[in-house]
Amino acid sequence: AQKITQTQPGMFVQEKEAVTLDCTYDTSDPSYGLFWYKQPSSGEMIFLIYQGSYDQQNATEGRYSLNFQKARKSANLVISASQLGDSAMYFCAMRVLSGNTPLVFGKGTRLSVIA
Amino acid sequence: DAGVTQSPTHLIKTRGQHVTLRCSPISGHKSVSWYQQVLGQGPQFIFQYYEKEERGRGNFPDRFSARQFPNYSSELNVNALLLGDSALYLCASSITGEGEQFFGPGTRLTVL
Repeated sequence: AQKITQTQPGMFVQEKEAVTLDCTYDTSDPSYGLFWYKQPSSGEMIFLIYQGSYDQQNATEGRYSLNFQKARKSANLVISASQLGDSAMYFCAMRVLSGNTPLVFGKGTRLSVIA
Repeated sequence: DAGVTQSPTHLIKTRGQHVTLRCSPISGHKSVSWYQQVLGQGPQFIFQYYEKEERGRGNFPDRFSARQFPNYSSELNVNALLLGDSALYLCASSITGEGEQFFGPGTRLTVL
């Protein structure tokens, strides 16, 4: 079974600063994908970034980057130059890539950006 | 192109009633997945459908059922509602079920 652990219930960051949201995962399958989603108060899950287990380089998407450390089974999200609109819940998720396996989510981290 | 749509956006029911939630996937997507997100938790997988067939089921009681229609839209049904069924119900669509999933805005169900 797969498991995602997010140990930070809440985080504060000053506007324009960088912030790292932690995520560790557990799986025995060698082929998997790691996802980060943003969930504003409206409820919709917004896809941010994806990292495949065989990808050699860390994924980046604009101000988002994923610090993937396979040996430590960690997939931390780094948000650079935080903006007030980044305030939201952030969820780390994973999916085994063989077959139609569902996404497994962590409990999330609430990020608050302070002006 | 329209994203994933869900209806209704909000719903209030009482214990023992049943509820039907609806989801329309992105055009061209043939797979729909349902997730339950209770307050303070991450989403939990309920069902996945692909080409009208159930492809996966999470650890939910038989009170939960779903189906997918020929146009790939989907319904989630919950019978004999309990207070603990109060949650945000999210629908996600993907082309085949193995790729990236795109989420709808969710239906917020409150059971009194």
